[in-house]
Amino acid sequence: KAGVTQTPRYLIKTRGQQVTLSCSPISGHRSVSWYQQTPGQGLQFLFEYFSETQRNKGNFPGRFSGRQFSNSRSEMNVSTLELGDSALYLCASSRDRAAEQYFGPGTRLTVT
Amino acid sequence: AQRVTQPEKLLSVFKGAPVELKCNYSYSGSPELFWYVQYSRQRLQLLLRHISRESIKGFTADLNKGETSFHLKKPFAQEEDSAMYYCALRAGGYQKVTFGIGTKLQVIP
Repeated sequence: KAGVTQTPRYLIKTRGQQVTLSCSPISGHRSVSWYQQTPGQGLQFLFEYFSETQRNKGNFPGRFSGRQFSNSRSEMNVSTLELGDSALYLCASSRDRAAEQYFGPGTRLTVT
Repeated sequence: AQRVTQPEKLLSVFKGAPVELKCNYSYSGSPELFWYVQYSRQRLQLLLRHISRESIKGFTADLNKGETSFHLKKPFAQEEDSAMYYCALRAGGYQKVTFGIGTKLQVIP
């Protein structure tokens, strides 16, 4: 079974721009969660989607948004990028909301 | 709000020595606790969860509600155990997972 895939793997953007990251969950998994990982803060929860609906949301500003499609694929968008948004963004999928999470390789975003 | 604390950023032990990675949490209810591991150049993966009460790769962890701890232990460290270890908590079945900042385990040959 193919694992969680994330595209792109690396991204360099300029302050003020916006970015869209994509996550394809494991086949059959319906829950997708997003995390921001930085050396100083560790993994911080962004949001969770299940059945195309946002179910949980972390403490991030409204510049961070996401969505999930009917095939369970998910995207997250960050608008008006700031230098502090530079991080590894991880996506995790699970069969259902309480099941084990499987992580993708992450997208490394650098904001200059 | 729930919080997970891993007091050690780096833990160095010699091969064959016992390992204990500390994890303390703050949550007033009955949480679900996890340990995740990330080996070099690999993805973050679940190592074990407290409800399973199983031993994975020789590691065990016991939930101590009185001390609000979920320490990860292994009696004899192996070089292949070198990795980043994250403790995590979920407040309830459908709640978000909160991670600690992680502890890097370095096993010295």
